[in-house]
Amino acid sequence: EVQLVESGGGLVKPGGSLRISCAASGFTFSASNMNWVRQAPGKGLEWVSYISMSGTYIYYADSVKGRFTISRDNAKNSVYLQMNSLRVEDTALYYCAREVPVAGSGAFDYWGQGSLVTVSS
Amino acid sequence: EIVLTQSPGTLSLSPGERATLSCRAGQSVNSLYLAWYQQKSGQAPRLLIYGASSRATGIPDRFSGSGSGTDFTLTISTLEPEDFAVYYCQVRRTFGQGTKVEIK
Repeated sequence: EVQLVESGGGLVKPGGSLRISCAASGFTFSASNMNWVRQAPGKGLEWVSYISMSGTYIYYADSVKGRFTISRDNAKNSVYLQMNSLRVEDTALYYCAREVPVAGSGAFDYWGQGSLVTVSS
Repeated sequence: EIVLTQSPGTLSLSPGERATLSCRAGQSVNSLYLAWYQQKSGQAPRLLIYGASSRATGIPDRFSGSGSGTDFTLTISTLEPEDFAVYYCQVRRTFGQGTKVEIK
C-alpha cells in the first residue's frame, strides 16, 4: 500500500523556522520526483517546490524562493521542506505529492494527508 | 506563467445528472501536462485524469477528460452521491482555482 506521511507541522511565530518531513512507503521512492503543495484554509491548491529523484533538479514557487529549501534522503525514503523566515501568509496545510512517472506529465498521483503549518504571533 | 481559469465556480446538479467542467489556459499548453483532481472536504486531492484524457488508476469510467490547446473539459457522465466535491485542473506547477460541484 502506498503511503505518504507528513510530520513536523505546528504553530510558529512570524520570522520563525520549521522543518516538515514526508515519509514514503509502498513505491520506489528513489525513482520518484517529489513535490510539496500547500493549501491555505478555505483556499485552493498552490504548488510550492519540486525535487527530482536524485535531487539534482530543484524548483520553487516565487512566493517561497529564498526562504524554503527542499531536500530528500533516498536511504530513508523521505523528503523534507525547511521553511525559514515564515510569514502569516505561509499558513497552510502542506502536502507532499509524488509525480506520475510518465515523462513530462507533471501530475501528482500519490498525496499525503498533509501537515498543518500555522504562522501566528 | 500559465494562468488557468475554471468555470463555473459552482455547479449545482442532482445525482444522475451530467457534469461538465471547464478549464481554460491563458496560452496554449501541451495536453500531456493537463491533469484533473477531485478534493472532498477534509481530504487530500485525488488524481482523476492526466495527459488531458488518461484516467488514473482506479478512477471510474464515468469520469472523462478532453480538450486541447487552451480549452479542456472534465465530464462526469452520471453524478454519483460521492462525486460532489471540488475539482481542480492543473498544468505542471499551476492549478486552477477550482469548481465546486454541489447537490442541487
